[in-house]
Amino acid sequence: NAGVMQNPRHLVRRRGQEARLRCSPMKGHSHVYWYRQLPEEGLKFMVYLQKENIIDESGMPKERFSAEFPKEGPSILRIQQVVRGDSAAYFCASSPLSGVYNEQFFGPGTRLTVL
Amino acid sequence: DAKTTQPPSMDCAEGRAANLPCNHSTISGNEYVYWYRQIHSQGPQYIIHGLKNNETNEMASLIITEDRKSSTLILPHATLRDTAVYYCIVRVAYDAGNMLTFGGGTRLMVKP
Repeated sequence: NAGVMQNPRHLVRRRGQEARLRCSPMKGHSHVYWYRQLPEEGLKFMVYLQKENIIDESGMPKERFSAEFPKEGPSILRIQQVVRGDSAAYFCASSPLSGVYNEQFFGPGTRLTVL
Repeated sequence: DAKTTQPPSMDCAEGRAANLPCNHSTISGNEYVYWYRQIHSQGPQYIIHGLKNNETNEMASLIITEDRKSSTLILPHATLRDTAVYYCIVRVAYDAGNMLTFGGGTRLMVKP
């Protein structure tokens, strides 16, 4: 059973460009979470999605950031008009629809560098 | 979620037990104690969780005090590969929508 997959693993963008980060949850998992880790800081929750629904986006910046989890395909975290402060590691986690403890399983992350 | 307090760093000799403490004095009755670790900027890895009884799995043991205000994660025979930041998190277990709130964690350095 493959784990959570994220791509690309490294992404370099210039200021003002768009960044698209992809996350494929573990097989059978229908809950996806995105976290951001700024350099030398802890992980911060951004958004929680189920298929075709955003459940909790309380950690998402109000502008330039959006997320989706379509019926088919991976979850996408999109950052428009990137700025240097967006440089960070972005981690995706998934958990199953049902399950007693709903622990979250993390992917390897995408490291975004904004020049 | 209740907040947790962990020492920022600890050292441990290779082959010895690593005991990582965590205080969670405001934990609620329906909140579990979870432990994750992050090895060198990889994605966090789930280790173990518990409610009030001690728990053990292939990775570690979790000892929770009777009043549930603190706990200790035990790595019985630490190896160099256990060098990581260890996060103690309290959360409601049965709620899939409950995000993980990471604090500063404990940076464990296992030395030869």
